[in-house]
Amino acid sequence: GESVGLHLPTLSVQEGDNSIINCAYSNSASDYFIWYKQESGKGPQFIIDIRSNMDKRQGQRVTVLLNKTVKHLSLQIAATQPGDSAVYFCAEANSGYSTLTFGKGTMLLVSP
Amino acid sequence: DAGVIQSPRHEVTEMGQEVTLRCKPISGHNSLFWYRQTMMRGLELLIYFNNNVPIDDSGMPEDRFSAKMPNASFSTLKIQPSEPRDSAVYFCASSQQGDSPLHFGNGTRLTVT
Repeated sequence: GESVGLHLPTLSVQEGDNSIINCAYSNSASDYFIWYKQESGKGPQFIIDIRSNMDKRQGQRVTVLLNKTVKHLSLQIAATQPGDSAVYFCAEANSGYSTLTFGKGTMLLVSP
Repeated sequence: DAGVIQSPRHEVTEMGQEVTLRCKPISGHNSLFWYRQTMMRGLELLIYFNNNVPIDDSGMPEDRFSAKMPNASFSTLKIQPSEPRDSAVYFCASSQQGDSPLHFGNGTRLTVT
């Protein structure tokens, strides 16, 4: 069979639904956590970040939740739109952004 | 703001040839990063510079890879000689030093045959 590495986890939602994308991180010493969105043929685009001294941060239509106890990060997108279809990456960083480490990504597919 | 500019957008070359990828960071940003993206390994940091000085090149796969930043507005990543396993999308990113998110270019898709 094909390697797991060839397939991204995929979340399929209907337009207007709320989406939740999850991420488990590995380094309990990480100071910053960041979500990026990557559309086909483009580079990752910054969405929102959160520091380790916070557990929730809200932006426009997006909310990031951080649970340091279980080393879990989630991105919630309200009223998901077709334009939100992309691959979403979580990233963790220690001592600033110089040591940014990316997760494998989740593909979000939004159908009209 | 034009963002991070990378060239070329696509590069197809034969094994053994030299490849040079170019990056122009956002004006005023003093940190520059080179990443490689593949389906198998995801986004991997190759090297980063602060104020034109290489800080950490531990992600550079082997001696065939080299990166330079001769001034604050230009960086190159060179592969010599190139091999088929170097095929990937190479991203350049820049940021202001400190707690500032990375801004990525749109990458160079490299295919080595």
